[in-house]
Amino acid sequence: AQSVAQPEDQVNVAEGNPLTVKCTYSVSGNPYLFWYVQYPNRGLQFLLKYITGDNLVKGSYGFEAEFNKSQTSFHLKKPSALVSDSALYFCAVRVFGNNRLAFGKGNQVVVIP
Amino acid sequence: DTEVTQTPKHLVMGMTNKKSLKCEQHMGHRAMYWYKQKAKKPPELMFVYSYEKLSINESVPSRFSPECPNSSLLNLHLHALQPEDSALYLCASSQGSLRAANQPQHFGDGTRLSIL
Repeated sequence: AQSVAQPEDQVNVAEGNPLTVKCTYSVSGNPYLFWYVQYPNRGLQFLLKYITGDNLVKGSYGFEAEFNKSQTSFHLKKPSALVSDSALYFCAVRVFGNNRLAFGKGNQVVVIP
Repeated sequence: DTEVTQTPKHLVMGMTNKKSLKCEQHMGHRAMYWYKQKAKKPPELMFVYSYEKLSINESVPSRFSPECPNSSLLNLHLHALQPEDSALYLCASSQGSLRAANQPQHFGDGTRLSIL
């Protein structure tokens, strides 16, 4: 079975400060990890993914994520948060040969002006 | 703009009505998905079509009936829904092969469904 944990419900950060959204995963085998963002009244937008190789992955809108195999984590980061980054963020995992994408519960990010 | 188009954006229907949700993609993807999403919750998988064949049905009630007429289109037929079925219904697509599990799913903006 594959699962994802996003331990925090809401992340509050001041504009201009670093933003981190935490994600840990559990899979049998090698994981494919994804981050999605959802703005109000919109679908999920793909931000970035980790497949293999370099542990630091860069994605859209200045986001990046660091894969840590020993800690089974894939935390999302942005060096300087914008008010427009306020949204719902989902971490997800998938494994080879499985069409199911397992989502975490989601984190509401609030960037305070 | 999303590459997966869903219509209608909003739908209000009574419990005895029959309606359909539509989804279209032109990315050449051969896997298409229906999800149900409640507010502030993660999407819940309902159905998966792979190469136009139903490959996953997550024990969804028969009042939801999916259809994949061709590789670009996905429908969800609705009949005799219950108030608890009110939700955002999301369509997604991805490369079809199971070897492509490392490719992201692309989501539409959804249909906001309200059951009276």
